[in-house]
Amino acid sequence: EAQVTQNPRYLITVTGKKLTVTCSQNMNHEYMSWYRQDPGLGLRQIYYSMNVEVTDKGDVPEGYKVSRKEKRNFPLILESPSPNQTSLYFCASSINRGLTEQYFGPGTRLTVT
Amino acid sequence: GQQVMQIPQYQHVQEGEDFTTYCNSSTTLSNIQWYKQRPGGHPVFLIQLVKSGEVKKQKRLTFQFGEAKKNSSLHITATQTTDVGTYFCAGPETGNQFYFGTGTSLTVIP
Repeated sequence: EAQVTQNPRYLITVTGKKLTVTCSQNMNHEYMSWYRQDPGLGLRQIYYSMNVEVTDKGDVPEGYKVSRKEKRNFPLILESPSPNQTSLYFCASSINRGLTEQYFGPGTRLTVT
Repeated sequence: GQQVMQIPQYQHVQEGEDFTTYCNSSTTLSNIQWYKQRPGGHPVFLIQLVKSGEVKKQKRLTFQFGEAKKNSSLHITATQTTDVGTYFCAGPETGNQFYFGTGTSLTVIP
Protein backbone atom coordinates (compact mmCIF):
# COMPACT_ATOMS: atom_id res chain seq x y z
CA GLU A 1 0.00 0.00 0.00
CA ALA A 2 1.33 3.42 -1.02
CA GLN A 3 1.76 5.50 2.08
CA VAL A 4 3.69 8.01 4.15
CA THR A 5 4.41 6.96 7.70
CA GLN A 6 5.42 9.12 10.64
CA ASN A 7 6.59 8.25 14.10
CA PRO A 8 5.79 8.93 16.81
CA ARG A 9 2.17 9.96 16.41
CA TYR A 10 2.09 11.71 19.77
CA LEU A 11 4.96 13.11 21.79
CA ILE A 12 5.15 15.13 24.99
CA THR A 13 8.59 16.39 25.84
CA VAL A 14 10.38 19.05 27.82
CA THR A 15 12.17 22.16 26.68
CA GLY A 16 15.66 21.50 25.39
CA LYS A 17 15.44 17.72 25.01
CA LYS A 18 16.47 16.81 21.48
CA LEU A 19 13.97 14.80 19.49
CA THR A 20 13.53 13.32 16.03
CA VAL A 21 10.31 12.68 14.16
CA THR A 22 10.76 10.09 11.44
CA CYS A 23 9.06 10.13 8.05
CA SER A 24 9.17 7.44 5.41
CA GLN A 25 7.44 7.01 2.05
CA ASN A 26 7.29 3.91 -0.15
CA MET A 27 6.32 5.58 -3.44
CA ASN A 28 9.78 6.50 -4.69
CA HIS A 29 8.82 10.18 -4.56
CA GLU A 30 11.49 12.79 -5.10
CA TYR A 31 9.90 15.71 -3.26
CA MET A 32 9.34 15.55 0.49
CA SER A 33 8.24 18.23 2.91
CA TRP A 34 7.59 18.92 6.53
CA TYR A 35 4.71 21.17 7.57
CA ARG A 36 3.43 22.41 10.85
CA GLN A 37 -0.24 23.14 11.37
CA ASP A 38 -1.41 25.72 13.87
CA PRO A 39 -4.97 27.06 14.34
CA GLY A 40 -5.74 29.93 12.02
CA LEU A 41 -2.41 29.66 10.21
CA GLY A 42 -3.03 26.68 7.98
CA LEU A 43 -0.10 24.50 7.02
CA ARG A 44 3.28 26.15 6.88
CA GLN A 45 6.23 24.53 5.20
CA ILE A 46 9.24 24.01 7.46
CA TYR A 47 11.74 22.31 5.15
CA TYR A 48 11.57 20.50 1.87
CA SER A 49 13.78 18.23 -0.15
CA MET A 50 13.92 18.01 -3.91
CA ASN A 51 15.88 14.75 -3.82
CA VAL A 52 18.56 12.86 -1.90
CA GLU A 53 21.04 15.21 -0.24
CA VAL A 54 19.08 18.26 -1.46
CA THR A 55 17.21 20.12 1.25
CA ASP A 56 16.10 23.71 1.60
CA LYS A 57 14.30 25.99 4.01
CA GLY A 58 10.59 26.58 3.80
CA ASP A 59 8.66 29.37 5.41
CA VAL A 60 9.34 28.57 9.08
CA PRO A 61 12.68 26.70 9.38
CA GLU A 62 13.97 28.24 12.62
CA GLY A 63 14.61 25.63 15.30
CA TYR A 64 14.41 22.66 12.95
CA LYS A 65 16.84 20.51 10.99
CA VAL A 66 16.30 17.85 8.38
CA SER A 67 18.35 15.37 6.42
CA ARG A 68 17.74 13.31 3.28
CA LYS A 69 20.31 10.55 3.13
CA GLU A 70 17.94 8.11 1.44
CA LYS A 71 15.13 8.80 -0.95
CA ARG A 72 12.46 7.24 1.25
CA ASN A 73 13.33 8.89 4.59
CA PHE A 74 13.13 12.52 5.66
CA PRO A 75 13.50 12.92 9.44
CA LEU A 76 12.70 16.17 11.24
CA ILE A 77 15.05 17.05 14.06
CA LEU A 78 14.43 19.49 16.89
CA GLU A 79 17.78 20.03 18.53
CA SER A 80 16.45 22.07 21.45
CA PRO A 81 12.65 22.13 21.42
CA SER A 82 10.82 25.11 22.86
CA PRO A 83 7.14 25.55 23.79
CA ASN A 84 6.46 27.57 20.62
CA GLN A 85 7.19 24.40 18.66
CA THR A 86 4.14 22.74 20.16
CA SER A 87 2.14 21.93 17.05
CA LEU A 88 0.77 19.29 14.72
CA TYR A 89 3.42 18.18 12.23
CA PHE A 90 2.85 16.56 8.86
CA CYS A 91 5.29 14.97 6.51
CA ALA A 92 4.33 14.84 2.84
CA SER A 93 5.73 13.54 -0.41
CA SER A 94 5.04 13.98 -4.09
CA ILE A 95 6.50 12.83 -7.38
CA ASN A 96 7.94 16.27 -7.94
CA ARG A 97 7.83 19.76 -6.55
CA GLY A 98 4.39 21.11 -7.10
CA LEU A 99 3.00 19.66 -10.24
CA THR A 100 1.47 16.61 -8.64
CA GLU A 101 -0.51 15.86 -5.54
CA GLN A 102 1.14 15.59 -2.17
CA TYR A 103 0.56 12.54 0.00
CA PHE A 104 0.49 13.25 3.70
CA GLY A 105 1.46 11.18 6.68
CA PRO A 106 -0.95 10.78 9.59
CA GLY A 107 0.62 13.59 11.60
CA THR A 108 2.62 13.92 14.81
CA ARG A 109 1.17 15.92 17.66
CA LEU A 110 4.04 17.41 19.61
CA THR A 111 3.74 19.13 22.97
CA VAL A 112 6.78 20.87 24.47
CA THR A 113 6.44 21.87 28.13
CA GLY B 1 7.17 35.74 0.82
CA GLN B 2 4.06 34.49 -0.81
CA GLN B 3 0.79 34.64 1.08
CA VAL B 4 -2.28 32.55 0.41
CA MET B 5 -5.41 33.64 2.23
CA GLN B 6 -8.72 31.88 2.39
CA ILE B 7 -12.10 33.19 3.40
CA PRO B 8 -14.10 32.53 5.35
CA GLN B 9 -12.08 30.95 8.13
CA TYR B 10 -15.16 29.15 9.47
CA GLN B 11 -18.52 28.35 7.91
CA HIS B 12 -21.52 26.69 9.47
CA VAL B 13 -24.27 25.55 7.11
CA GLN B 14 -27.45 23.57 7.38
CA GLU B 15 -27.32 20.28 5.55
CA GLY B 16 -28.50 20.86 2.01
CA GLU B 17 -27.24 24.44 1.79
CA ASP B 18 -24.45 25.44 -0.55
CA PHE B 19 -20.93 26.37 0.56
CA THR B 20 -18.13 28.35 -1.06
CA THR B 21 -14.57 29.03 0.03
CA TYR B 22 -12.31 31.54 -1.69
CA CYS B 23 -8.55 31.43 -2.03
CA ASN B 24 -6.38 34.44 -2.87
CA SER B 25 -2.67 34.43 -3.53
CA SER B 26 -0.37 37.45 -3.39
CA THR B 27 1.49 36.10 -6.43
CA THR B 28 0.61 34.29 -9.62
CA LEU B 29 0.42 30.53 -9.24
CA SER B 30 1.51 28.03 -11.87
CA ASN B 31 -1.19 25.72 -10.61
CA ILE B 32 -3.44 25.36 -7.61
CA GLN B 33 -4.40 22.32 -5.62
CA TRP B 34 -7.22 21.73 -3.18
CA TYR B 35 -7.08 19.46 -0.15
CA LYS B 36 -9.60 18.32 2.41
CA GLN B 37 -8.76 17.49 6.00
CA ARG B 38 -11.33 15.64 8.04
CA PRO B 39 -11.36 16.33 11.79
CA GLY B 40 -8.44 14.49 13.36
CA GLY B 41 -7.11 13.47 9.96
CA HIS B 42 -4.49 14.53 7.48
CA PRO B 43 -4.91 16.59 4.30
CA VAL B 44 -6.08 14.59 1.32
CA PHE B 45 -5.71 15.78 -2.25
CA LEU B 46 -8.92 16.65 -4.08
CA ILE B 47 -7.95 18.25 -7.37
CA GLN B 48 -5.43 20.32 -9.30
CA LEU B 49 -6.16 23.23 -11.64
CA VAL B 50 -3.54 24.43 -14.10
CA LYS B 51 -5.08 26.63 -16.78
CA SER B 52 -6.26 30.20 -16.40
CA GLY B 53 -10.05 30.25 -15.99
CA GLU B 54 -10.22 26.48 -15.60
CA VAL B 55 -13.34 24.95 -14.05
CA LYS B 56 -13.50 21.36 -12.86
CA LYS B 57 -16.30 19.41 -11.22
CA GLN B 58 -16.32 16.44 -8.94
CA LYS B 59 -19.91 15.42 -8.26
CA ARG B 60 -21.23 18.23 -6.01
CA LEU B 61 -17.88 20.06 -5.88
CA THR B 62 -16.96 22.76 -8.40
CA PHE B 63 -13.46 24.21 -8.53
CA GLN B 64 -12.45 27.36 -10.38
CA PHE B 65 -9.08 28.92 -11.13
CA GLY B 66 -9.10 32.65 -11.74
CA GLU B 67 -8.18 34.25 -15.03
CA ALA B 68 -5.13 35.90 -13.48
CA LYS B 69 -4.16 32.64 -11.75
CA LYS B 70 -4.09 34.42 -8.39
CA ASN B 71 -7.37 33.21 -6.98
CA SER B 72 -9.51 30.13 -6.84
CA SER B 73 -12.76 28.93 -5.34
CA LEU B 74 -14.39 25.72 -4.23
CA HIS B 75 -18.17 25.49 -4.27
CA ILE B 76 -20.11 22.61 -2.76
CA THR B 77 -23.73 22.20 -3.79
CA ALA B 78 -26.24 20.78 -1.30
CA THR B 79 -23.81 20.02 1.49
CA GLN B 80 -23.90 16.71 3.32
CA THR B 81 -22.53 15.74 6.71
CA THR B 82 -19.73 13.90 4.94
CA ASP B 83 -18.47 17.28 3.65
CA VAL B 84 -17.40 18.30 7.16
CA GLY B 85 -13.74 19.22 7.40
CA THR B 86 -11.22 21.90 6.59
CA TYR B 87 -10.57 22.79 2.98
CA PHE B 88 -7.18 24.11 1.92
CA CYS B 89 -5.96 25.57 -1.31
CA ALA B 90 -2.27 25.22 -2.05
CA GLY B 91 0.23 26.07 -4.70
CA PRO B 92 3.92 26.12 -5.55
CA GLU B 93 5.88 29.32 -5.40
CA THR B 94 8.16 30.33 -8.27
CA GLY B 95 10.98 28.74 -6.33
CA ASN B 96 10.55 25.30 -4.87
CA GLN B 97 8.48 26.12 -1.82
CA PHE B 98 4.87 25.10 -1.47
CA TYR B 99 2.28 27.33 0.16
CA PHE B 100 -0.99 26.35 1.73
CA GLY B 101 -3.87 28.66 2.36
CA THR B 102 -5.13 29.35 5.86
CA GLY B 103 -8.04 26.95 5.36
CA THR B 104 -11.81 27.10 5.72
CA SER B 105 -13.40 24.92 8.36
CA LEU B 106 -16.83 23.67 7.29
CA THR B 107 -19.42 22.47 9.77
CA VAL B 108 -22.61 20.92 8.43
CA ILE B 109 -25.59 20.93 10.77
CA PRO B 110 -27.91 17.96 10.16
